[in-house]
Amino acid sequence: TQLLEQSPQFLSIQEGENLTVYCNSSSVFSSLQWYRQEPGEGPVLLVTVVTGGEVKKLKRLTFQFGDARKDSSLHITAAQPGDTGLYLCAGVDGSSNTGKLIFGQGTTLQVKP
Amino acid sequence: GAVVSQHPSWVICKSGTSVKIECRSLDFQATTMFWYRQFPKQSLMLMATSNEGSKATYEQGVEKDKFLINHASLTLSTLTVTSAHPEDSSFYICSARAVGGNTGELFFGEGSRLTVL
Repeated sequence: TQLLEQSPQFLSIQEGENLTVYCNSSSVFSSLQWYRQEPGEGPVLLVTVVTGGEVKKLKRLTFQFGDARKDSSLHITAAQPGDTGLYLCAGVDGSSNTGKLIFGQGTTLQVKP
Repeated sequence: GAVVSQHPSWVICKSGTSVKIECRSLDFQATTMFWYRQFPKQSLMLMATSNEGSKATYEQGVEKDKFLINHASLTLSTLTVTSAHPEDSSFYICSARAVGGNTGELFFGEGSRLTVL
């Protein structure tokens, strides 16, 4: 089974600060997804990155896929309290024939006003 | 976007009883659904892969007889926690992949919080 290492696992910052979350693997992924989850709810897909070196922007969120398609990052500019939540990276396990999605450990982000 | 609905969203039961959780794809057909378990402030742990019309594939360490999965149609999968005990209390989440959809993209239900007394 392929593994995704996500860091940091916990992050507490003040409103207005910038942050970056990393998702790394020794394996190549055909694509990686980023999800955001709020307490008591299911994860919501933020973005899918497919092409090595790809950069996607979603308002203040910038997602990058590594050239070798083994890693990805999420950068948030000028974080706001509404960004608080659990951020998860995920990718399809290429070693499985079921197409199951494997997740990183998650990053719990708290943005203080 | 595609919608996946879980029911119930929360349930409290007595130890020893069985609880069924439903996962429905409302506006698309899903040949494959996945069931996850999640503990507070932790990531999702895959329990099993549910395939329409065939037996589910369970992850290592997940008891098949404890967590019964049925995927009877292209829009419904159910997870039954049999003889539930307090240690089964958790947040259970399902996800579905649309037929013909992007391999990597899954749509998640809202989750079901199970509390076993």
